[in-house]
Amino acid sequence: QVQLQESGPGLVKPSETLSLTCTFSGGSISSYYWSWIRQSPGKGLEWIGYIYYSGSSKYNPALKTRVIISVDTSKNRLSLKLSSVTAADTAVYYCARDRGRYYDSGSFPSFDYWGQGTPVTVSS
Amino acid sequence: QSVLTQPPSVSAAPGEKVTISCSGSTSNVGNNHVSWYQQVPGTAPKLLIYDTNKRPSEIPDRFSGSKSGTSATLGITGLQTGDEADYYCGTWDSRLSAVLFGGGTKLTVL
Repeated sequence: QVQLQESGPGLVKPSETLSLTCTFSGGSISSYYWSWIRQSPGKGLEWIGYIYYSGSSKYNPALKTRVIISVDTSKNRLSLKLSSVTAADTAVYYCARDRGRYYDSGSFPSFDYWGQGTPVTVSS
Repeated sequence: QSVLTQPPSVSAAPGEKVTISCSGSTSNVGNNHVSWYQQVPGTAPKLLIYDTNKRPSEIPDRFSGSKSGTSATLGITGLQTGDEADYYCGTWDSRLSAVLFGGGTKLTVL
């Protein structure tokens, strides 16, 4: 049974760095892309970025100057760091396994396993 | 305002059929596969359709996906009260180099 579990502080101060971890169990981290996705209160889904198990990554252009996603394959763990946070970064943050494929000629993401989500509030 | 446009809400009676549209452009829906997700409030999204029209094995065939040009459609037949949820489409945008999601559609089963 594939399971993902996010963890991290639920409250972050403005201008500081949000740091979250996602632990994966029940399968292999290899051969998949892994994404962070967030959902602001009452709003839709926003993709933050992905990392391939090999370490290559891609980020949402709107966030790329502030985001770092990393992977530790030995611990089946993903990490998200989002710097210089503001109230607009308040959201539920999800990690998700992406069974999709990414080619220069086209890309086909699809997220088949999700964590339960962890709420993060940015406030002083 | 999402790049992928979905109707804010749809409704239908139990047992009926409903469709949810996802309108985009040639840089996203028109040239990339689409996936669909169901989200019951307070829970994580669940994959319903991937690669435009494929279902994970655990998803019943009441759910279907299709695409024509720059618009994709999720169909749900034999509506059940348990289908009440928010539904999101997702795809890749080749111009933005990013995964995009639609704004979501709230399904009410009357």
